[in-house]
Amino acid sequence: GDSVTQMEGPVTLSEEACLTINCTYTATGYPSLFWYVQYPGEGLQLLLKATKADDKGSNKGFEATYRKETTSFHLEKGSVQVSDSAVYFCALKDNFNKFYFGSGTKLNVKP
Amino acid sequence: GAGVSQSPSNKVTEKGKDVELRCDPISGHTALYWYRQRLGQGLEFLIYFQGNSAPDKSGLPSDRFSAERTGESVSTLTIQRTQQEDSAVYLCASSLWTGGTGELFFGEGSRLTVL
Repeated sequence: GDSVTQMEGPVTLSEEACLTINCTYTATGYPSLFWYVQYPGEGLQLLLKATKADDKGSNKGFEATYRKETTSFHLEKGSVQVSDSAVYFCALKDNFNKFYFGSGTKLNVKP
Repeated sequence: GAGVSQSPSNKVTEKGKDVELRCDPISGHTALYWYRQRLGQGLEFLIYFQGNSAPDKSGLPSDRFSAERTGESVSTLTIQRTQQEDSAVYLCASSLWTGGTGELFFGEGSRLTVL
């Protein structure tokens, strides 16, 4: 069945460092891909999405490109801030509207 | 309402009691999902409703768990004879049926503590 695998955390970075959180997926068909973020004490919210191969999703300085050839959707940011500290979830949505989530990656950004 | 609404936000119960958790999806959203998130863990899929189709119950951990949804409105998740391992945040989310491009909108969750 469909699944999402993302790198384990926690990831600890200094402010202004470069971030990459790896996400790979397995899917039959043509899924849409998402990154969700959960800030401390808050609910999950959509960060960015891409609906077809080679699409790039971007928001708040974060980017991820839908790579069909490598079945990946890695999250990147050039310069992280303390306020980016959160748990990041990679997810896919299959053609039947069902979502599959990765296990989450906790990011700690130190000043 | 503007977003997904869940109640109660917090529930403390004694082992062996039954609990009901409620979810009000965004109006017009045909799909509704329940997930469980244990402390420090990822999202565990429980059940998925899509319109009038039979729900996908493949994630329910035991027969103590059940969920209902009337049409495209409110859903209730019921846990019977609660156990301590049921302690978690139960998240509800809804989305439009858009053939694969729509996002999930999450509620704030119901935090369940079983003593």
